[in-house]
Amino acid sequence: DAGVIQSPRHEVTEMGQEVTLRCKPISGHNSLFWYRQTMMRGLELLIYFNNNVPIDDSGMPEDRFSAKMPNASFSTLKIQPSEPRDSAVYFCASSLTGDRVGYTFGSGTRLTVV
Amino acid sequence: AQTVTQSQPEMSVQEAETVTLSCTYDTSESNYYLFWYKQPPSRQMILVIRQEAYKQQNATENRFSVNFQKAAKSFSLKISDSQLGDTAMYFCALVRWDNDMRFGAGTRLTVKP
Repeated sequence: DAGVIQSPRHEVTEMGQEVTLRCKPISGHNSLFWYRQTMMRGLELLIYFNNNVPIDDSGMPEDRFSAKMPNASFSTLKIQPSEPRDSAVYFCASSLTGDRVGYTFGSGTRLTVV
Repeated sequence: AQTVTQSQPEMSVQEAETVTLSCTYDTSESNYYLFWYKQPPSRQMILVIRQEAYKQQNATENRFSVNFQKAAKSFSLKISDSQLGDTAMYFCALVRWDNDMRFGAGTRLTVKP
């Protein structure tokens, strides 16, 4: 298994532009999580899906952020418009509900908004 | 609400020695799991060890072991025979029944030669 695949690995964009981060979870996993990591706030859970349905999006900072999971093998996190304070590493993770072996994380996307 | 607290922002240890990283947590759930993740400079999050709350026996994975004190809500990580490759950020995490994982702020561990 290739693990959780995130793309791109790095993204540099200008303030005001739309940014889309992508994630492919491990095949068979039915839970998917988006986290944001910053020096100031650590690892924050943004949103998570179970069986492609958003369960808790209370961590999404504001309306500029949106996430979708159109099928079991793909999810996106979109920021529109982006701002410099959105600069962070964004992680996607997946797991199998009920299987408490821990999440498998992707390699993260480092986003820089200038 | 769930909280995970790591009170040691940074620690260092000499190679081959033992170090213990602290973690306390708070949850109203009776069924939950605890984890330690390692994040080296590559930024990949790597699962180190996990503990089921209903098990009294402390988990062990090679040089890594935990001291789980359920009543005190404490979950410390002990690294024996520290190696240079253990240099990383270490995160303590709590997962409750509905699969929502929360992390502590992390402890930066440096292993010195």
